[in-house]
Amino acid sequence: QVQLQQSGPGLVTASQTLSLTCAISGDSVSSNSAAWNWIRQSPSRGLEWLGRTYYRSKWYNDYEVSVKSRITINPDTSKNQFSLQLNSVTPEDTAVYYCAKTQSATGENWFGPWGQGTLVTVSS
Amino acid sequence: DIVMTQSPDSLAVSLGERATINCKSSQSVFHTSKNKNYLAWYQQKSGQPPRLLIYWSSTRESGVPDRFSGSGSGTDFTLTISSLQAEDVALYYCQQYYSIPWTFGQGTKVEIK
Repeated sequence: QVQLQQSGPGLVTASQTLSLTCAISGDSVSSNSAAWNWIRQSPSRGLEWLGRTYYRSKWYNDYEVSVKSRITINPDTSKNQFSLQLNSVTPEDTAVYYCAKTQSATGENWFGPWGQGTLVTVSS
Repeated sequence: DIVMTQSPDSLAVSLGERATINCKSSQSVFHTSKNKNYLAWYQQKSGQPPRLLIYWSSTRESGVPDRFSGSGSGTDFTLTISSLQAEDVALYYCQQYYSIPWTFGQGTKVEIK
């Protein structure tokens, strides 16, 4: 059974970098069939997919256009986890951030399982 | 981007009655060569991450009660709760996985009347 455990600070100062980590158990970040995603949820923006990383003989990333200039999602194979970095944050980046798996090799890009969620508040 | 629009934003249904939630996509999410609709439904209870209910527009995830069903094709989809139970009070979201960026509807709040 795949489980995702998130960690990272809940408070970030505006203009700084938001950093979160998602530890994977029951699967591998280097899986040739899965993809590892970050999603956020706020009252103003709803559920918003931010991006993903996945391995298909080499590493790939896809990012949502609105955050593409500020976001990095990296795998860490030594710890079987992946991370989110979002630079130059503003109060608009305040949200609950989730990591989630998709089974993308077969087009099964629905999300599950999900991490527990991390409320990140950006203070000005 | 494919825009997902749900209706209504909220609904109140008596226990044991039917609840129906609609989801419309701005373009078709039916993949002709796969003969599948790339549409999922989620349930989110307060303080929890979303839980997958339905994928391929009508396939129930393992462990999901059979009072939940999905239907529709192309651009118009429906999630039906055939007999509302108290534990079904939640927000419900549709999501398209036809093309990146994956996008969600704005959510529908289901309450007990």
